[in-house]
Amino acid sequence: QVQVVESGGGLVKPGGSLRLSCAASGFTFSDYYMNWIRQAPGKGLEWVSYISSSSSTIYYADSVKGRFTISRDNANSSLFLQMNSLRVEDTAVYYCAREKGSRAPDVFDFWGQGTMVTVSS
Amino acid sequence: DIQMTQSPSTLSASVGERVTITCRASQSISSWLAWYQQKPGKAPKLLIYKASSLQSGVPSRFSGSGSGTEFTLTISSLQPDDYATYYCQQYSSYWWTFGQGTKVEIK
Repeated sequence: QVQVVESGGGLVKPGGSLRLSCAASGFTFSDYYMNWIRQAPGKGLEWVSYISSSSSTIYYADSVKGRFTISRDNANSSLFLQMNSLRVEDTAVYYCAREKGSRAPDVFDFWGQGTMVTVSS
Repeated sequence: DIQMTQSPSTLSASVGERVTITCRASQSISSWLAWYQQKPGKAPKLLIYKASSLQSGVPSRFSGSGSGTEFTLTISSLQPDDYATYYCQQYSSYWWTFGQGTKVEIK
């Protein structure tokens, strides 16, 4: 069955860095576009970043552009999010999500359980 | 960016009631609208895509309608498992945006 499992969250000081990982299984990872979406405590959902199947196209939300870097390793069915210059407002649960793939852009049909990132001094 | 506005923010309803949630887009998004259900501490779950298409495995009491800028999610007969927060999402452009959410509570 399709599974995506995030890891790498934790507590970090403002200005610090963190690298999130997402391990995918149960589908041909290299065929799918992938995304990161976040949710601050008690708040709604915010799309963060997109990467195409071949990594040729990448997009970021304005709120993280220049600080976050998305990447993927198709050989190992993994997605990454390198987060630098972290701010208190980056505190959130970060979800890895697969795009359904029937069009571009598309909906997110499978989500991981999320990994919590807390930015605090 | 396309702004998505849901109403109401909170809804109280009893088991068996018909429930309707509205989502408005700041510009036309054709039918590129999805609905997700999220329970506390869990990831969102895709319910509806392309405004009215039911995702595989989702009960038929959920339905969606609309196009352009106005959309609705309807639960025909609310079940205990349906108490959750619901989000609409536009995917007309690559800068995906979500509504602020509608929490469905027990009346």
